[in-house]
Formats: sequence, C-alpha cells, structure tokens
Amino acid sequence: NAGVTQTPKFRILKIGQSMTLQCAQDMNHNYMYWYRQDPGMGLKLIYYSVGAGITDKGEVPNGYNVSRSTTEDFPLRLELAAPSQTSVYFCASNQHNPGTQYFGPGTRLLVL
Amino acid sequence: AQTVTQSQPEMSVQEAETVTLSCTYDTSESDYYLFWYKQPPSRQMILVIRQEAYKQQNATENRFSVNFQKAAKSFSLKISDSQLGDAAMYFCAYPCRGQGAQKLVFGQGTRLTINP
Repeated sequence: NAGVTQTPKFRILKIGQSMTLQCAQDMNHNYMYWYRQDPGMGLKLIYYSVGAGITDKGEVPNGYNVSRSTTEDFPLRLELAAPSQTSVYFCASNQHNPGTQYFGPGTRLLVL
Repeated sequence: AQTVTQSQPEMSVQEAETVTLSCTYDTSESDYYLFWYKQPPSRQMILVIRQEAYKQQNATENRFSVNFQKAAKSFSLKISDSQLGDAAMYFCAYPCRGQGAQKLVFGQGTRLTINP
C-alpha cells in the first residue's frame, strides 16, 4: 500500500516555464488537497477536490490549476512559473470527514 | 475565518524530560477534530495525535498526549520522556469544513530541539 505518492521530488524551473506536479493515492479516498509550505511557515491550501470532476479553490490558488479526472489522481499545474512559487508542495487525501488526512512526501520546487 | 496560533517559534528540552507545545485556535463550530503533525528534516508530514472536540477525555498516544480546553480553544501537546528522534517542527492544525471537504488550517509551527 503506497498511500499518497508525489512526483517529482525536486525540480528547478526557469521563470515563465510550466510544469505539472503529480499526485496519486491508492486508498480510494474521495477528498484530495494541495498545500504549499514556504520556508519557516505552516502549510496553506491551494486547491482541493471532493471527488472526481469536482475541484475548488483554497486560500492561495493564484497561479495554479488542477483537475480530477479519476479518484486516484490529482495533478497540480503551474502555467507561468514565478519566483514566488518557490516552495514545497504537499498533496494529501482523506476518506471521511472529519477524519485523518494523509500526506505525500512533498515536491520541492525552485523557480529561478 | 478560522485561525490557528502557535506562540512558541522554538522550544528546547533535555532528553528524557517533558515538554509542552502550545496551540490556540478560533472557531464557531461545536463539532470538530484537532491535529498535531510532526515534520522532521525529511519534510514528511506525520500525524502525531488527533482530538475529537466532542470527547471530554484528552487523547493519548504512547508518550504524546494533549491538554484540550474547549472553552478556552486551547490544544497543547505534551511529549513525555523526550527522545532525540522527537526533534522536528510540530504543527497544530484545525480542519475548516466546506463543501464536505476538510481543509486544514495550520499554525506557524514550533521547532523542537532535543538536547542530549
């Protein structure tokens, strides 16, 4: 049981480039989330999904897009990378509300 | 909007001693969970303990326990018999509910150092 997986682990982007951060879970969870963690700070919610085909904005959605075509996958898209998007990105999921949220290992992104 | 406040940016404790990390939160809901997560240098977010607000009994997980004061909106974490492996960032989190989802609001974190 892999839990929540994320790829890549680390990426360097140039300003203006685009990329997709991948997230997958094998626990059949309905709810999935993307958070970012800036240095020395707590996590902030970017986007979330309550099921396949349903997504909504979190606290800091600007500069990002998401899709949820399957229960398992929840990719996060950066269209025009900016230095302010340098951060560690975490994907998470949970089945029941309220309930425990499980996190992936994170993707460290550096935009130069 | 719900907020979570951790007032101690850094804490240190001698190995085998006990330390308490503080957390306060703001909410108008009556039924909710609260969480403490540990983040070691590997950056992995690890659930330490959770507390259901409707339960009067404080949650306990081995050396970790909470002091939950619902009226005061306080949720502190006590680590007993501190071990070197407990050194990490600790985050308190409150789930803000919306559209059925559980959107976690995190505190700023407390960096815990264990002195041998």
